[in-house]
Parts: sequence; structure tokens; C-alpha cells
Amino acid sequence: DVKVTQSSRYLVKRTGEKVFLECVQDMDHENMFWYRQDPGLGLRLIYFSYDVKMKEKGDIPEGYSVSREKKERFSLILESASTNQTSMYLCASSFDRASDQPQHFGDGTRLSIL
Amino acid sequence: GENVEQHPSTLSVQEGDSAVIKCTYSDSASNYFPWYKQELGKRPQLIIDIRSNVGEKKDQRIAVTLNKTAKHFSLHITETQPEDSAVYFCAASRGANSKLTFGKGITLSVRP
Repeated sequence: DVKVTQSSRYLVKRTGEKVFLECVQDMDHENMFWYRQDPGLGLRLIYFSYDVKMKEKGDIPEGYSVSREKKERFSLILESASTNQTSMYLCASSFDRASDQPQHFGDGTRLSIL
Repeated sequence: GENVEQHPSTLSVQEGDSAVIKCTYSDSASNYFPWYKQELGKRPQLIIDIRSNVGEKKDQRIAVTLNKTAKHFSLHITETQPEDSAVYFCAASRGANSKLTFGKGITLSVRP
């Protein structure tokens, strides 16, 4: 069974802090994704990566960056956290671009910026 | 880019009745349409998906239908049970491993 693990379920940070959210998958998936989920807005894609050291902007990349130094790990970075980044953050992974496999999600990190 | 809309935003049905959730999409090149179920406090989980080369797919009590001409697809749940209560998200992409665009989600409540 696919396992996508996010480092924290709940996180509280202060405005202006640099925040790191970590995601690890154990199925040798090439593709990894970061979404944020807000009530009434569904899941919105922040960044994604198709390979190590590769990254592409999603629909709402402003205020975020990512890092993919190893295949199994995809980090989301809030360079200077702001209150409007309070949200549920979901990581997902999928096999590779050539195959036809769906995305699998982690349990999410509920981030509060005070 | 792709735009996916879900209708209605909430749906309440009596246990044992059927539920239908509809989604429309805008990108005619989209060819992969998954449905995810998210129970309260849990991760979204894939429940069924369909590709554009078929018009319907069934898995026990759930089915998905796709109308490429009208650019809409629907989730059908028969004999609903209280454990079907959740938020359901539809999505569309140009392939299973391309960027997914999600709808805003619909909250389904099944009344015992």
C-alpha cells in the first residue's frame, strides 16, 4: 500500500517565520505535489515535481518555494509566513508520467500562522 | 487552464436512496477524471476514476459516467449508507500523472 507521510499533523508558527513542511513517500514515485485545502475552495496546487531537483509552479505558488533533493522527499517552504497562509496542506505522489496511476495523498498538515 | 465545477455544493439523501454528483470541465484535452472521497479529518482517497476512452465505469455501489461532448462527468452512488457521508472531489487532467485540477468539493450527508 502506498504510504505518503507528512512530518506534522498540526503546526503553529508566527508571522515572518520561515516554515518547512516535509513529505516523504515510500513507493519510489517520481511525481510529488503540494496542495492547500481551504473551505469552499477545494484543493489548489501550489507546486509539483516530476523528478529530483525539478519543480514546476502550480496555480498558487506565490509565497512558497519547494525543494526536492531526494526522490522520496518533497519539502514545501514558506519563506516568510503570513496569516493568509493558515491552511491545511496536503502532499501527494504518483508513479511516473509514462504510466497511468493516480495520485495518493498524505494525511495533511494543519498549519496556523499567528 | 482547466476549470472544474461541481454541482451542487451540498447534497442530503435518505439512507438507501441514490446520490448523483455532477462535474463540468472546460479543457477538451482533459482525458482523466478521478473522484476522491474525504472523510472528516482524513486524507482524500481515490474511489473511482475514468479515462476518456470509456463512457462509464462501475465498482460495486459506485459508478462514474462521462459525456465528452458536453464536457461533464458524474458520480453515482446507489443504496447510500451513513458511511458514505463525506466530501467528494472531482478532478480533471490531461493524463493520470499530469497536473490535476480539482472541483471545490461537495458535502454529501446520508440521513439514517
